[in-house]
Amino acid sequence: GEQVEQRPPHLSVREGDSAVIICTYTDPNSYYFFWYKQEPGAGLQLLMKVFSSTEINEGQGFTVLLNKKDKQLSLNLTAAHPGDSAVYFCAVRSYGSSGNKLIFGIGTLLSVKP
Amino acid sequence: DPKIIQKPKYLVAVTGSEKILICEQYLGHNAMYWYRQSAKKPLEFMFSYSYQKLMDNQTASSRFQPQSSKKNHLDLQITALKPDDSATYFCASSQERTGGYAEQFFGPGTRLTVL
Repeated sequence: GEQVEQRPPHLSVREGDSAVIICTYTDPNSYYFFWYKQEPGAGLQLLMKVFSSTEINEGQGFTVLLNKKDKQLSLNLTAAHPGDSAVYFCAVRSYGSSGNKLIFGIGTLLSVKP
Repeated sequence: DPKIIQKPKYLVAVTGSEKILICEQYLGHNAMYWYRQSAKKPLEFMFSYSYQKLMDNQTASSRFQPQSSKKNHLDLQITALKPDDSATYFCASSQERTGGYAEQFFGPGTRLTVL
Protein backbone atom coordinates (compact mmCIF):
# COMPACT_ATOMS: atom_id res chain seq x y z
CA GLY A 1 0.00 0.00 0.00
CA GLU A 2 0.91 3.63 0.02
CA GLN A 3 3.77 4.58 2.28
CA VAL A 4 5.27 7.82 3.41
CA GLU A 5 8.73 7.82 4.94
CA GLN A 6 9.61 10.85 7.01
CA ARG A 7 13.02 11.80 8.33
CA PRO A 8 14.53 12.58 10.68
CA PRO A 9 12.37 11.34 13.58
CA HIS A 10 14.08 13.78 15.94
CA LEU A 11 15.72 17.10 15.18
CA SER A 12 17.37 19.48 17.63
CA VAL A 13 18.57 22.89 16.51
CA ARG A 14 19.60 26.20 18.05
CA GLU A 15 17.45 29.28 17.76
CA GLY A 16 18.16 30.99 14.46
CA ASP A 17 19.31 27.80 12.74
CA SER A 18 17.46 26.23 9.85
CA ALA A 19 15.75 22.85 10.05
CA VAL A 20 14.80 20.54 7.19
CA ILE A 21 12.31 17.68 7.30
CA ILE A 22 11.91 15.39 4.31
CA CYS A 23 9.16 13.01 3.29
CA THR A 24 9.37 10.45 0.52
CA TYR A 25 6.24 8.81 -0.81
CA THR A 26 5.72 5.77 -3.00
CA ASP A 27 2.34 6.16 -4.69
CA PRO A 28 2.81 7.82 -8.11
CA ASN A 29 -0.85 8.86 -7.94
CA SER A 30 -0.17 11.02 -4.90
CA TYR A 31 -1.53 14.40 -5.72
CA TYR A 32 -2.16 16.43 -2.64
CA PHE A 33 0.41 17.11 0.03
CA PHE A 34 0.13 18.68 3.45
CA TRP A 35 2.28 19.65 6.40
CA TYR A 36 0.80 19.65 9.88
CA LYS A 37 2.21 20.85 13.20
CA GLN A 38 1.26 19.25 16.50
CA GLU A 39 2.09 21.03 19.73
CA PRO A 40 2.05 19.07 23.00
CA GLY A 41 -1.45 18.01 23.99
CA ALA A 42 -3.00 19.65 20.94
CA GLY A 43 -4.47 18.56 17.66
CA LEU A 44 -2.88 18.89 14.26
CA GLN A 45 -2.61 22.38 12.85
CA LEU A 46 -2.44 22.70 9.08
CA LEU A 47 0.71 24.56 8.06
CA MET A 48 0.75 24.31 4.30
CA LYS A 49 -0.84 22.51 1.39
CA VAL A 50 0.83 21.80 -1.94
CA PHE A 51 -0.89 20.48 -5.04
CA SER A 52 1.12 21.20 -8.15
CA SER A 53 4.20 19.47 -9.41
CA THR A 54 7.50 20.94 -8.30
CA GLU A 55 6.27 23.82 -6.29
CA ILE A 56 7.69 26.06 -3.67
CA ASN A 57 5.30 27.49 -1.14
CA GLU A 58 6.36 29.93 1.48
CA GLY A 59 4.70 30.52 4.80
CA GLN A 60 5.64 32.38 7.92
CA GLY A 61 9.25 31.39 8.43
CA PHE A 62 9.15 28.20 6.38
CA THR A 63 9.33 26.93 2.82
CA VAL A 64 7.78 23.81 1.35
CA LEU A 65 9.21 22.18 -1.73
CA LEU A 66 7.50 19.42 -3.71
CA ASN A 67 9.57 17.40 -6.15
CA LYS A 68 7.22 14.98 -7.91
CA LYS A 69 10.00 13.52 -10.03
CA ASP A 70 11.76 12.23 -6.92
CA LYS A 71 8.48 11.80 -4.98
CA GLN A 72 9.81 14.00 -2.24
CA LEU A 73 8.28 16.70 -0.07
CA SER A 74 10.33 18.88 2.24
CA LEU A 75 9.70 21.45 4.93
CA ASN A 76 12.44 23.98 5.55
CA LEU A 77 12.20 26.16 8.62
CA THR A 78 14.43 29.18 8.25
CA ALA A 79 15.68 30.86 11.42
CA ALA A 80 13.85 28.53 13.80
CA HIS A 81 12.69 29.89 17.15
CA PRO A 82 11.58 28.08 20.34
CA GLY A 83 7.92 28.49 19.39
CA ASP A 84 8.54 26.18 16.44
CA SER A 85 9.21 23.27 18.82
CA ALA A 86 6.58 20.67 18.01
CA VAL A 87 5.99 17.47 16.07
CA TYR A 88 5.69 17.98 12.33
CA PHE A 89 3.82 15.57 10.08
CA CYS A 90 3.66 15.32 6.34
CA ALA A 91 0.53 13.83 4.81
CA VAL A 92 -0.25 12.63 1.33
CA ARG A 93 -3.52 12.06 -0.43
CA SER A 94 -3.79 10.15 -3.67
CA TYR A 95 -5.84 11.32 -6.60
CA GLY A 96 -9.19 9.59 -6.48
CA SER A 97 -8.39 7.93 -3.17
CA SER A 98 -11.47 6.37 -1.71
CA GLY A 99 -12.80 8.22 1.27
CA ASN A 100 -10.23 10.99 0.92
CA LYS A 101 -7.85 9.36 3.35
CA LEU A 102 -4.55 10.95 4.22
CA ILE A 103 -1.40 8.86 4.58
CA PHE A 104 0.86 10.31 7.24
CA GLY A 105 4.57 10.18 7.89
CA ILE A 106 5.78 9.05 11.32
CA GLY A 107 6.39 12.62 12.44
CA THR A 108 9.48 14.65 13.33
CA LEU A 109 9.95 15.96 16.85
CA LEU A 110 11.65 19.32 16.45
CA SER A 111 13.31 20.93 19.46
CA VAL A 112 14.54 24.50 19.13
CA LYS A 113 16.85 25.54 21.95
CA PRO A 114 17.36 29.20 22.85
CA ASP B 1 -13.76 29.15 19.83
CA PRO B 2 -12.83 25.58 18.99
CA LYS B 3 -14.21 24.54 15.63
CA ILE B 4 -13.89 20.79 16.15
CA ILE B 5 -14.83 19.52 19.58
CA GLN B 6 -13.82 16.11 20.86
CA LYS B 7 -15.01 14.71 24.15
CA PRO B 8 -13.63 13.56 26.46
CA LYS B 9 -10.03 14.72 26.26
CA TYR B 10 -8.83 11.78 28.34
CA LEU B 11 -10.52 8.43 28.81
CA VAL B 12 -9.49 5.43 30.89
CA ALA B 13 -11.33 2.16 30.36
CA VAL B 14 -11.02 -1.42 31.49
CA THR B 15 -10.49 -4.31 29.11
CA GLY B 16 -13.77 -5.62 27.72
CA SER B 17 -15.75 -2.44 28.30
CA GLU B 18 -17.36 -0.16 25.73
CA LYS B 19 -16.79 3.54 25.19
CA ILE B 20 -18.03 6.26 22.86
CA LEU B 21 -15.79 9.04 21.63
CA ILE B 22 -17.64 12.21 20.68
CA CYS B 23 -16.83 14.53 17.78
CA GLU B 24 -18.68 17.66 16.67
CA GLN B 25 -17.52 20.07 14.00
CA TYR B 26 -18.73 23.63 13.55
CA LEU B 27 -16.99 24.38 10.28
CA GLY B 28 -20.00 23.52 8.12
CA HIS B 29 -18.06 20.71 6.46
CA ASN B 30 -19.65 17.84 4.58
CA ALA B 31 -17.04 15.17 5.31
CA MET B 32 -15.73 13.82 8.61
CA TYR B 33 -13.03 11.35 9.52
CA TRP B 34 -11.47 9.35 12.33
CA TYR B 35 -7.75 8.74 12.66
CA ARG B 36 -5.80 6.88 15.33
CA GLN B 37 -2.37 7.76 16.65
CA SER B 38 -0.69 4.90 18.49
CA ALA B 39 2.72 5.08 20.12
CA LYS B 40 5.57 5.08 17.61
CA LYS B 41 3.22 4.75 14.63
CA PRO B 42 2.02 7.23 12.04
CA LEU B 43 -1.49 8.57 12.24
CA GLU B 44 -3.66 5.88 10.80
CA PHE B 45 -6.84 6.53 8.81
CA MET B 46 -9.85 4.68 10.19
CA PHE B 47 -13.10 5.95 8.62
CA SER B 48 -14.47 8.65 6.40
CA TYR B 49 -18.03 9.89 6.11
CA SER B 50 -19.54 12.19 3.52
CA TYR B 51 -23.00 13.66 4.05
CA GLN B 52 -23.43 11.20 6.92
CA LYS B 53 -22.70 8.18 4.74
CA LEU B 54 -19.76 5.84 5.19
CA MET B 55 -17.27 6.32 2.36
CA ASP B 56 -14.29 4.30 3.47
CA ASN B 57 -13.54 1.92 6.31
CA GLN B 58 -9.90 0.97 6.84
CA THR B 59 -10.45 -0.58 10.25
CA ALA B 60 -10.32 -4.34 10.22
CA SER B 61 -12.24 -4.80 13.43
CA SER B 62 -16.02 -4.47 13.68
CA ARG B 63 -15.50 -3.40 17.29
CA PHE B 64 -15.07 0.12 15.93
CA GLN B 65 -18.37 1.60 14.80
CA PRO B 66 -18.79 5.23 13.74
CA GLN B 67 -22.16 6.84 14.40
CA SER B 68 -23.44 9.98 12.69
CA SER B 69 -26.65 11.26 14.32
CA LYS B 70 -26.32 14.74 12.78
CA LYS B 71 -24.40 16.00 9.80
CA ASN B 72 -21.84 17.72 12.00
CA HIS B 73 -21.42 14.77 14.38
CA LEU B 74 -19.33 11.66 13.96
CA ASP B 75 -18.96 9.64 17.12
CA LEU B 76 -16.87 6.50 17.46
CA GLN B 77 -18.15 3.57 19.46
CA ILE B 78 -15.56 1.03 20.54
CA THR B 79 -16.73 -2.25 22.05
CA ALA B 80 -14.86 -5.06 23.82
CA LEU B 81 -11.92 -2.75 24.47
CA LYS B 82 -8.41 -4.17 24.43
CA PRO B 83 -5.14 -2.69 25.73
CA ASP B 84 -3.96 -2.43 22.10
CA ASP B 85 -6.76 0.06 21.49
CA SER B 86 -4.89 2.54 23.68
CA ALA B 87 -4.14 5.50 21.45
CA THR B 88 -5.11 9.07 20.74
CA TYR B 89 -8.11 9.23 18.44
CA PHE B 90 -8.44 12.27 16.22
CA CYS B 91 -11.53 13.46 14.47
CA ALA B 92 -11.17 15.58 11.33
CA SER B 93 -13.41 17.28 8.81
CA SER B 94 -13.19 18.82 5.36
CA GLN B 95 -15.38 20.47 2.75
CA GLU B 96 -15.21 18.17 -0.24
CA ARG B 97 -16.08 19.26 -3.78
CA THR B 98 -16.41 17.21 -6.92
CA GLY B 99 -13.14 17.29 -8.79
CA GLY B 100 -11.56 19.48 -6.17
CA TYR B 101 -9.37 19.11 -3.17
CA ALA B 102 -9.79 20.00 0.45
CA GLU B 103 -7.58 20.16 3.46
CA GLN B 104 -8.63 18.27 6.55
CA PHE B 105 -8.89 20.06 9.86
CA PHE B 106 -8.28 18.11 13.04
CA GLY B 107 -9.76 18.16 16.51
CA PRO B 108 -7.64 18.08 19.69
CA GLY B 109 -7.99 14.32 20.09
CA THR B 110 -9.22 11.91 22.75
CA ARG B 111 -6.49 10.01 24.52
CA LEU B 112 -7.79 6.53 25.37
CA THR B 113 -6.02 4.24 27.80
CA VAL B 114 -7.27 0.68 28.20
CA LEU B 115 -6.14 -1.12 31.34
